[in-house]
Amino acid sequence: DQQVKQNSPSLSVQEGRISILNCDYTNSMFDYFLWYKKYPAEGPTFLISISSIKDKNEDGRFTVFLNKSAKHLSLHIVPSQPGDSAVYFCAALRGSNYKLTFGKGTLLTVNP
Amino acid sequence: KAGVTQTPRYLIKTRGQQVTLSCSPISGHRSVSWYQQTPGQGLQFLFEYFSETQRNKGNFPGRFSGRQFSNSRSEMNVSTLELGDSALYLCASSPDDKDEQYFGPGTRLTVT
Repeated sequence: DQQVKQNSPSLSVQEGRISILNCDYTNSMFDYFLWYKKYPAEGPTFLISISSIKDKNEDGRFTVFLNKSAKHLSLHIVPSQPGDSAVYFCAALRGSNYKLTFGKGTLLTVNP
Repeated sequence: KAGVTQTPRYLIKTRGQQVTLSCSPISGHRSVSWYQQTPGQGLQFLFEYFSETQRNKGNFPGRFSGRQFSNSRSEMNVSTLELGDSALYLCASSPDDKDEQYFGPGTRLTVT
């Protein structure tokens, strides 16, 4: 049973436009959410996180939105750049537990 | 600061054999986690060690085991290898902060 779901395996956007990556979760005990970016042949790199007590967190071009009632979060990248092309993973944590539960990832392609 | 290193980067083994993978965390990091990445299942948590003690464990059979040494370096061992164990094995280290989990490049294990 997948507790973190990324229903879009891939997404293609034009350079300069907004990329919106979505993630749903089923476990209401999750209280911390993270987004990772992964290039081929490299490990995931932390991008941005959000605590369940917030509904928005911004860091430069990246904004994460959390809708607790819908158990949904999204990552917005504005403006999108070709270097953003990678697989994006949504992950969740529960309490002080370090066990990251990952979604299966979304491949983002930003076309020049 | 040097990043997380994993050795070997690539490995080919035969069914029934056993394998040991190594992870050297970032200097000063005391928490080391292991993940398995496969195309079908995505990234799945194996276990996490902190100060030589296993703190968290995922849902993997007992063939998967690990340990951590006093210098925080960690090894994971898989015994009686099966074809389904073919995957990218990722190690992540942390100074004990949920946000700061830094991943290594992974070890690509192929079981034939």
